[in-house]
Formats: sequence, structure tokens, C-alpha cells
Amino acid sequence: SAVISQKPSRDICQRGTSLTIQCQVDSQVTMMFWYRQQPGQSLTLIATANQGSEATYESGFVIDKFPISRPNLTFSTLTVSNMSPEDSSIYLCSVEVIGSGELFFGEGSRLTVL
Amino acid sequence: KQEVTQIPAALSVPEGENLVLNCSFTDSAIYNLQWFRQDPGKGLTSLLLIQSSQREQTSGRLNASLDKSSGRSTLYIAASQPGDSATYLCAGGGTSYGKLTFGQGTILTVHP
Repeated sequence: SAVISQKPSRDICQRGTSLTIQCQVDSQVTMMFWYRQQPGQSLTLIATANQGSEATYESGFVIDKFPISRPNLTFSTLTVSNMSPEDSSIYLCSVEVIGSGELFFGEGSRLTVL
Repeated sequence: KQEVTQIPAALSVPEGENLVLNCSFTDSAIYNLQWFRQDPGKGLTSLLLIQSSQREQTSGRLNASLDKSSGRSTLYIAASQPGDSATYLCAGGGTSYGKLTFGQGTILTVHP
């Protein structure tokens, strides 16, 4: 398994500002992902964070709105830019344990935009 | 495009009852099927992973099965306890690692 730490755990932000969420894993992993869980909804994949290269975004998500960094094999950040109330969600970092196909998730970052 | 549906949306049972949560998916070319538990305000805890070549996995009081031909997976919880109360999510993976499609979840309440 993997232990995944996310910061912040929650935040309240003003419309038009940006927030960066950090994800730290206790071991080197090849695959890191960012998911979003909107209120009352299930999870949707935002993007795959690629180490040393640009992230791969899913349909409906763009780099300008959700820039992602992954400087090494244990750390990634997701920024939610120019926030609006519609961005109020839980953002979750997840990793795949090498070779297992099993995904593990962090505790999530609960974002409220006023 | 993979779609995952979970039935029922909510379930309330008395402690000690055995129960089954259902998950169906539209694309039988599923790579794996993973069951998660989510407590209120928390992240996801992985319960069981079934690879496409497998038919079931067991962990303690939990047993999950996968039938690709019918597009179904079930999570069986034996002798339910109040601590089992949570939202249970199933998610299907395609050939790309990490790209899970999630169902809407089943909210389980086990009352003493």
C-alpha cells in the first residue's frame, strides 16, 4: 500500500483566487492522479500527473484551469485557478502501487469557494 | 465509454445481517474492478481489487466477485456491524492504469 498526505485538508477561498493542493507519497510511485468529487457526486478523473513532463488531462479539464506539477516520484501539486463557486469540491490525489493495478487515495482536500 | 451503476443507492440494515451491494458496468473489456469505502468527509479506503483474470477476492468479512460477461460485480458483507456504515464505491478500470470510472456509491447504514 501507500500512505498519501494532502495539504490543505480543507480551505475556504474567495472567488477569482487560486489554490494549490499538495500531495506527498511515502514511497516512489510511477502513476499519480488527481480526481474531483463534486458535492453529492462520485469521483471524476481530472488528470494524470506525469513526472518530468506535462500532465495528461481528461476531457473537460484544461491545463489553464488545473495546472499540475510533478517534480519527482513522490510529490505532486494541483492548482485550481481563478476559482468560482462551481469549483467547490473535494480534490483527491491517488497513486497506483507499481505493478498491482490497485489505486490508493489521500484524505482529500475539501475546497469551498464563496 | 465505461459507465458504472450501483444499486441500491442507500441501504439500511440491522446489525448482524449479511448484505450484498451491486455494481454493473457497460464495457466488458474491463481491466480491473476495485471496491472502496468512503467515510463522511474522508478520502477513499481500498477494500478489494479484482483483476480481469480473477473472479473474486476475499478480505475478512468482505467478498467481492466479478462477472465480466454479465457486466456485474457484487460486494458481500457478512455479519454487518455499525462500523461498516459508510459509502461504498465500485470503480472499473480500463487498459490505462489509474483511469477508474466510479459508480455513484451505495450509502450503507448498519444500526445496532
